[in-house]
Amino acid sequence: DAGVIQSPRHEVTEMGQEVTLRCKPISGHNSLFWYRQTMMRGLELLIYFNNNVPIDDSGMPEDRFSAKMPNASFSTLKIQPSEPRDSAVYFCASSPSREAFFGQGTRLTVV
Amino acid sequence: GESVGLHLPTLSVQEGDNSIINCAYSNSASDYFIWYKQESGKGPQFIIDIRSNMDKRQGQRVTVLLNKTVKHLSLQIAATQPGDSAVYFCAENSGQNFVFGPGTRLSVLP
Repeated sequence: DAGVIQSPRHEVTEMGQEVTLRCKPISGHNSLFWYRQTMMRGLELLIYFNNNVPIDDSGMPEDRFSAKMPNASFSTLKIQPSEPRDSAVYFCASSPSREAFFGQGTRLTVV
Repeated sequence: GESVGLHLPTLSVQEGDNSIINCAYSNSASDYFIWYKQESGKGPQFIIDIRSNMDKRQGQRVTVLLNKTVKHLSLQIAATQPGDSAVYFCAENSGQNFVFGPGTRLSVLP
């Protein structure tokens, strides 16, 4: 298995633009997590899904952030409009039961 | 005002020595714990896990110790190698959600 696949690896965008981050979890894993990592706050959970259903989105910073999981093999995290303070590395992770396996992350820079 | 970045504790260890990385967790209901290793530019990588009904678990060159009384975890790395240089995170789980600690940077000196 190729592991959790995220795209793009790097994204540079201008403030106000829409940004979409993509994640393909490991096949057979029924939980999917989106994390954000910054120097200020470390690793923060944004949202997680179980069997494609959002379970806890309390970590989503504000309404500009939204996440979807239309099927078991794909999820997106969208920021609209983006702001410079959204600059971070965004990780997707999937889990078959308890342990979570992380993708390589998307480094987002909003200028 | 001036912003302050997250200050990661740093552990510097001589190559070949043993390393001990500590972590305090907050939720007494957490029943599953994982140690992750994160190298520069990569995602966190699973190292070893332990359930709350155990107090010790060993892997290859790594040992995790769990003290539920004081809510403390430690990761011991035997014969530390240059490739062990990374940031190490503990994560606690009390259901489906993982909560990560701030991390410790391990620096292996030649």
